Amino acid sequence: DSGVTQTPKHLITATGQRVTLRCSPRSGDLSVYWYQQSLDQGLQFLIQYYNGEERAKGNILERFSAQQFPDLHSELNLSSLELGDSALYFCASSAGTPNQPQHFGDGTRLSIL
Amino acid sequence: GQQLNQSPQSMFIQEGEDVSMNCTSSSIFNTWLWYKQEPGEGPVLLIALYKAGELTSNGRLTAQFGITRKDSFLNISASIPSDVGIYFCAGLTSGTYKYIFGTGTRLKVLA
Repeated sequence: DSGVTQTPKHLITATGQRVTLRCSPRSGDLSVYWYQQSLDQGLQFLIQYYNGEERAKGNILERFSAQQFPDLHSELNLSSLELGDSALYFCASSAGTPNQPQHFGDGTRLSIL
Repeated sequence: GQQLNQSPQSMFIQEGEDVSMNCTSSSIFNTWLWYKQEPGEGPVLLIALYKAGELTSNGRLTAQFGITRKDSFLNISASIPSDVGIYFCAGLTSGTYKYIFGTGTRLKVLA
Protein backbone atom coordinates (compact mmCIF):
# COMPACT_ATOMS: atom_id res chain seq x y z
CA ASP A 1 0.00 0.00 0.00
CA SER A 2 1.60 3.25 -1.21
CA GLY A 3 -0.56 5.43 1.01
CA VAL A 4 -1.96 7.33 -1.99
CA THR A 5 -5.73 6.91 -2.31
CA GLN A 6 -7.61 7.40 -5.55
CA THR A 7 -11.37 7.31 -6.04
CA PRO A 8 -13.29 6.02 -7.81
CA LYS A 9 -11.47 2.90 -9.03
CA HIS A 10 -13.64 2.64 -12.11
CA LEU A 11 -15.74 5.16 -13.96
CA ILE A 12 -17.92 4.55 -17.00
CA THR A 13 -19.54 7.45 -18.74
CA ALA A 14 -20.55 8.75 -22.14
CA THR A 15 -19.01 11.16 -24.61
CA GLY A 16 -19.62 14.80 -23.83
CA GLN A 17 -19.90 14.22 -20.09
CA ARG A 18 -17.77 15.59 -17.26
CA VAL A 19 -16.12 13.61 -14.46
CA THR A 20 -14.05 14.34 -11.38
CA LEU A 21 -11.27 12.10 -10.15
CA ARG A 22 -10.06 12.42 -6.59
CA CYS A 23 -6.68 11.81 -4.97
CA SER A 24 -5.51 11.88 -1.37
CA PRO A 25 -1.71 12.01 -1.05
CA ARG A 26 0.42 10.09 1.42
CA SER A 27 0.49 11.56 4.88
CA GLY A 28 3.07 14.33 4.98
CA ASP A 29 3.41 14.69 1.21
CA LEU A 30 2.81 18.19 -0.14
CA SER A 31 3.03 17.53 -3.85
CA VAL A 32 0.54 15.76 -6.10
CA TYR A 33 1.06 14.67 -9.71
CA TRP A 34 -1.48 13.47 -12.28
CA TYR A 35 -0.65 11.06 -15.11
CA GLN A 36 -2.60 9.49 -17.96
CA GLN A 37 -1.84 5.97 -19.15
CA SER A 38 -3.58 4.77 -22.28
CA LEU A 39 -3.74 1.08 -23.19
CA ASP A 40 -0.25 -0.40 -23.42
CA GLN A 41 1.30 3.05 -23.25
CA GLY A 42 3.67 4.76 -20.90
CA LEU A 43 2.83 7.39 -18.32
CA GLN A 44 2.02 10.82 -19.71
CA PHE A 45 2.53 13.60 -17.19
CA LEU A 46 -0.44 15.95 -16.94
CA ILE A 47 0.10 18.37 -14.07
CA GLN A 48 1.75 18.85 -10.66
CA TYR A 49 0.66 20.77 -7.58
CA TYR A 50 2.68 21.69 -4.54
CA ASN A 51 0.96 22.85 -1.39
CA GLY A 52 -2.04 24.13 -3.30
CA GLU A 53 -0.19 25.84 -6.14
CA GLU A 54 0.40 24.61 -9.68
CA ARG A 55 4.10 23.80 -10.07
CA ALA A 56 4.50 22.09 -13.44
CA LYS A 57 2.33 21.40 -16.44
CA GLY A 58 2.63 18.64 -19.01
CA ASN A 59 0.49 17.70 -21.97
CA ILE A 60 -2.81 18.47 -20.28
CA LEU A 61 -5.70 19.24 -22.59
CA GLU A 62 -7.67 22.46 -22.15
CA ARG A 63 -10.75 20.29 -21.42
CA PHE A 64 -8.93 18.99 -18.34
CA SER A 65 -8.28 20.94 -15.17
CA ALA A 66 -7.05 20.17 -11.69
CA GLN A 67 -6.66 21.73 -8.30
CA GLN A 68 -5.18 20.95 -4.93
CA PHE A 69 -7.17 21.90 -1.86
CA PRO A 70 -5.98 23.22 1.53
CA ASP A 71 -6.18 19.71 3.00
CA LEU A 72 -3.80 18.69 0.13
CA HIS A 73 -6.18 16.36 -1.64
CA SER A 74 -6.43 16.94 -5.36
CA GLU A 75 -9.11 16.63 -8.00
CA LEU A 76 -8.73 16.17 -11.74
CA ASN A 77 -11.71 17.37 -13.76
CA LEU A 78 -12.23 16.03 -17.26
CA SER A 79 -14.93 17.64 -19.39
CA SER A 80 -16.46 17.24 -22.86
CA LEU A 81 -15.19 13.70 -22.76
CA GLU A 82 -14.17 11.95 -25.96
CA LEU A 83 -13.63 8.27 -26.70
CA GLY A 84 -9.88 8.85 -26.74
CA ASP A 85 -9.95 9.98 -23.11
CA SER A 86 -10.51 6.38 -22.04
CA ALA A 87 -7.43 5.53 -19.99
CA LEU A 88 -6.02 4.88 -16.55
CA TYR A 89 -5.48 8.08 -14.60
CA PHE A 90 -2.87 7.91 -11.87
CA CYS A 91 -2.15 10.23 -9.04
CA ALA A 92 1.24 10.24 -7.34
CA SER A 93 2.52 12.17 -4.36
CA SER A 94 5.89 13.17 -2.99
CA ALA A 95 7.31 15.36 -0.27
CA GLY A 96 7.79 17.97 -2.98
CA THR A 97 11.44 18.71 -2.26
CA PRO A 98 13.93 18.10 -5.07
CA ASN A 99 14.81 14.48 -5.89
CA GLN A 100 12.08 12.98 -3.73
CA PRO A 101 10.55 9.91 -5.40
CA GLN A 102 6.88 9.77 -6.27
CA HIS A 103 4.54 7.16 -4.86
CA PHE A 104 1.56 6.16 -6.99
CA GLY A 105 -2.03 5.32 -6.22
CA ASP A 106 -3.79 2.41 -7.90
CA GLY A 107 -5.44 4.63 -10.47
CA THR A 108 -8.90 5.36 -11.79
CA ARG A 109 -9.91 3.47 -14.91
CA LEU A 110 -12.06 5.74 -17.06
CA SER A 111 -14.12 4.18 -19.83
CA ILE A 112 -15.97 6.38 -22.30
CA LEU A 113 -18.82 4.72 -24.18
CA GLY B 1 5.51 14.40 -24.38
CA GLN B 2 9.19 13.83 -23.72
CA GLN B 3 10.06 10.24 -22.75
CA LEU B 4 13.11 8.20 -22.05
CA ASN B 5 14.09 5.31 -24.31
CA GLN B 6 13.85 1.99 -22.55
CA SER B 7 15.04 -1.28 -23.96
CA PRO B 8 14.11 -3.90 -24.58
CA GLN B 9 10.44 -3.10 -25.10
CA SER B 10 9.50 -6.61 -24.01
CA MET B 11 11.19 -9.78 -22.81
CA PHE B 12 10.15 -13.40 -22.52
CA ILE B 13 12.47 -15.32 -20.25
CA GLN B 14 12.63 -18.65 -18.47
CA GLU B 15 12.24 -18.79 -14.72
CA GLY B 16 15.66 -18.66 -13.09
CA GLU B 17 17.28 -16.52 -15.77
CA ASP B 18 18.79 -13.12 -15.11
CA VAL B 19 17.26 -10.03 -16.72
CA SER B 20 18.86 -6.78 -17.82
CA MET B 21 17.13 -3.65 -19.05
CA ASN B 22 18.25 -0.09 -19.54
CA CYS B 23 17.07 3.44 -19.97
CA THR B 24 18.84 6.08 -22.05
CA SER B 25 18.42 9.76 -22.70
CA SER B 26 20.11 12.63 -24.46
CA SER B 27 19.66 14.69 -21.29
CA ILE B 28 21.63 14.55 -18.06
CA PHE B 29 19.67 13.47 -15.00
CA ASN B 30 20.47 13.86 -11.33
CA THR B 31 17.97 11.28 -10.10
CA TRP B 32 16.84 7.95 -11.52
CA LEU B 33 13.92 5.90 -10.28
CA TRP B 34 12.82 2.40 -11.22
CA TYR B 35 9.19 1.28 -10.87
CA LYS B 36 7.28 -1.95 -11.46
CA GLN B 37 3.65 -1.95 -12.56
CA GLU B 38 1.43 -5.02 -12.38
CA PRO B 39 -1.90 -5.29 -14.22
CA GLY B 40 -4.61 -3.13 -12.70
CA GLU B 41 -2.27 -1.48 -10.22
CA GLY B 42 -0.21 1.64 -9.96
CA PRO B 43 3.57 1.69 -10.40
CA VAL B 44 5.47 0.67 -7.27
CA LEU B 45 8.84 2.23 -6.50
CA LEU B 46 11.66 -0.34 -6.58
CA ILE B 47 14.90 1.62 -6.40
CA ALA B 48 15.97 5.28 -6.28
CA LEU B 49 19.44 6.44 -7.45
CA TYR B 50 20.96 9.83 -6.68
CA LYS B 51 24.64 9.76 -7.72
CA ALA B 52 26.47 8.95 -10.94
CA GLY B 53 27.97 5.48 -10.66
CA GLU B 54 25.74 4.52 -7.72
CA LEU B 55 24.83 0.86 -7.49
CA THR B 56 21.83 -0.01 -5.31
CA SER B 57 20.17 -3.34 -4.60
CA ASN B 58 16.71 -4.31 -3.43
CA GLY B 59 16.61 -8.06 -2.95
CA ARG B 60 17.20 -9.68 -6.34
CA LEU B 61 17.05 -6.31 -8.07
CA THR B 62 20.11 -4.15 -8.70
CA ALA B 63 20.09 -0.78 -10.42
CA GLN B 64 22.91 1.50 -11.48
CA PHE B 65 23.13 5.21 -12.20
CA GLY B 66 25.22 5.50 -15.37
CA ILE B 67 28.54 7.35 -15.20
CA THR B 68 27.50 9.71 -17.99
CA ARG B 69 24.29 10.50 -16.04
CA LYS B 70 22.38 9.87 -19.26
CA ASP B 71 21.49 6.26 -18.57
CA SER B 72 20.49 3.76 -15.94
CA PHE B 73 20.32 -0.01 -15.76
CA LEU B 74 18.18 -2.52 -13.89
CA ASN B 75 19.11 -6.15 -13.39
CA ILE B 76 16.94 -8.89 -11.93
CA SER B 77 18.68 -12.05 -10.87
CA ALA B 78 17.15 -15.53 -10.81
CA SER B 79 13.77 -14.41 -12.12
CA ILE B 80 10.56 -15.88 -10.71
CA PRO B 81 6.99 -15.82 -12.08
CA SER B 82 5.95 -12.91 -9.85
CA ASP B 83 8.54 -10.69 -11.55
CA VAL B 84 6.05 -10.38 -14.41
CA GLY B 85 5.03 -6.81 -15.07
CA ILE B 86 6.05 -3.58 -16.74
CA TYR B 87 9.22 -1.94 -15.50
CA PHE B 88 9.51 1.84 -15.88
CA CYS B 89 12.46 4.10 -15.39
CA ALA B 90 12.03 7.77 -14.53
CA GLY B 91 14.61 10.55 -14.61
CA LEU B 92 14.75 14.00 -13.08
CA THR B 93 16.88 16.84 -14.41
CA SER B 94 18.45 19.40 -12.13
CA GLY B 95 16.27 22.39 -11.37
CA THR B 96 13.01 20.68 -12.28
CA TYR B 97 10.34 18.83 -10.35
CA LYS B 98 8.91 16.86 -13.26
CA TYR B 99 10.05 13.28 -13.71
CA ILE B 100 10.33 12.00 -17.25
CA PHE B 101 9.16 8.40 -17.59
CA GLY B 102 10.52 5.71 -19.87
CA THR B 103 8.35 3.79 -22.30
CA GLY B 104 8.49 0.64 -20.18
CA THR B 105 9.89 -2.88 -20.49
CA ARG B 106 7.28 -5.64 -20.43
CA LEU B 107 8.64 -8.74 -18.72
CA LYS B 108 7.09 -12.16 -18.97
CA VAL B 109 8.53 -15.13 -17.12
CA LEU B 110 7.88 -18.65 -18.34
CA ALA B 111 7.78 -21.26 -15.59
